[in-house]
Parts: sequence; structure tokens; C-alpha cells
Amino acid sequence: DAEITQSPRHKITETGRQVTLACHQTWNHNNMFWYRQDLGHGLRLIHYSYGVQDTNKGEVSDGYSVSRSNTEDLPLTLESAASSQTSVYFCASSNTGLASEQYFGPGTRLTVT
Amino acid sequence: GENVEQHPSTLSVQEGDSAVIKCTYSDSASNYFPWYKQELGKRPQLIIDIRSNVGEKKDQRIAVTLNKTAKHFSLHITETQPEDSAVYFCAAYSGAGSYQLTFGKGTKLSVIP
Repeated sequence: DAEITQSPRHKITETGRQVTLACHQTWNHNNMFWYRQDLGHGLRLIHYSYGVQDTNKGEVSDGYSVSRSNTEDLPLTLESAASSQTSVYFCASSNTGLASEQYFGPGTRLTVT
Repeated sequence: GENVEQHPSTLSVQEGDSAVIKCTYSDSASNYFPWYKQELGKRPQLIIDIRSNVGEKKDQRIAVTLNKTAKHFSLHITETQPEDSAVYFCAAYSGAGSYQLTFGKGTKLSVIP
């Protein structure tokens, strides 16, 4: 069955370290998204991609970067982790087309100490 | 950009009663409005959606209504059950070549047995 996976599921890192969160989908979806979820803020868009080599900034992109070298993967990199980046991170993907459902991965809980 | 407001932030109902969650959006170009349910520790999952050319959509115990003139939409859950307890997110999709969703901040629904 097609799916979307994230790894690691839990990560503890120190302030200043570079961290990469993986997202992999097997639906062959063109669109991929990264969100962070914090209490009281809902889901906020970090970065998104509409296809290979395409990346765009979302609402809260400062301190994060993404790259899209193939259809299946959109890794999220925290260049220099900060305590304010402690959060739950969700990756999502959707097909191209009006009103296509976004399918979410299981999430990664990141703690920056 | 789009702004989505969601109310209430918490809602408690007795089992068997109805629950209503309301959202407003700012971008008149928005044309697709999904609702996601997120159980504790799980990923958000789509439960129902509505397009701008439809005023109401129903699926068993859940329904969504849309008022384009007032730019608001609502989720209605009838005959609530304990398994309906979760956080519910509304979202708006701007279309016009954009596949981004803007989410409300969520409503924590508790169904009391």
C-alpha cells in the first residue's frame, strides 16, 4: 500500500546542531509539505514543493530549508537548531489537482535542549 | 494571504448531543474547505470537505455547511460518541494554482459518556 513515512519519530538534539528530518512518500505525489504543530498554533506551513527541484517558503520558514531531488522525498533541515524549534513536525503530500486531499505522515517529535 | 479563524478552541458535549465548530476565512478566492480530525498522538486525517460551489455536504453523522457570502463554514457532528473526542482542524485552500492549505488553530472536542 502507498504511504508516507517520517524518520526519526523522536529526536533530541542540542542547540546549534544541524538536524535533518526525513519524509518519504510512495504515492508519486507531486506536492509535498512540511508543517510544525505547536499548542495554540495549529498547523503552520514551513516549506512546500510542487515537484522535483521546486521549493517554496511557507509561513514560518526562518531557520529551515528543504530540497527536492526526487518525487518521493522532501527532507527538512534545521540549519542550527534553536529551542524555539522544539515542536512536532508533520510532512504531507497531495496529488496535483483542485481539492486534492493532503495525506499526513506520522510526525516527528523534535526536542532541542 | 489567507487567514482562518476557528471557534471554539475547546468544546465539551454530552454523549448523544450535537457539536458545532465554526471557521471564518479571509480570502474570497478560497474554493475548497477540508476538515481534519487528529486523535491524541496521531496524524491529522481528512474527515469531510466541501467545495465553494456547494452549500452543504453530509456524511453519516458529520456535515459541513459553507456560506461564501459571509466567508464562514461549519462542522456539525450529530449523536456524538466518545470516539469523536479529538482535535478538529478546519482549513482553506486558495486554489488559483496554489495547493497550500491554511489551517485554523484547532478545536479540542471532548465527548463525555
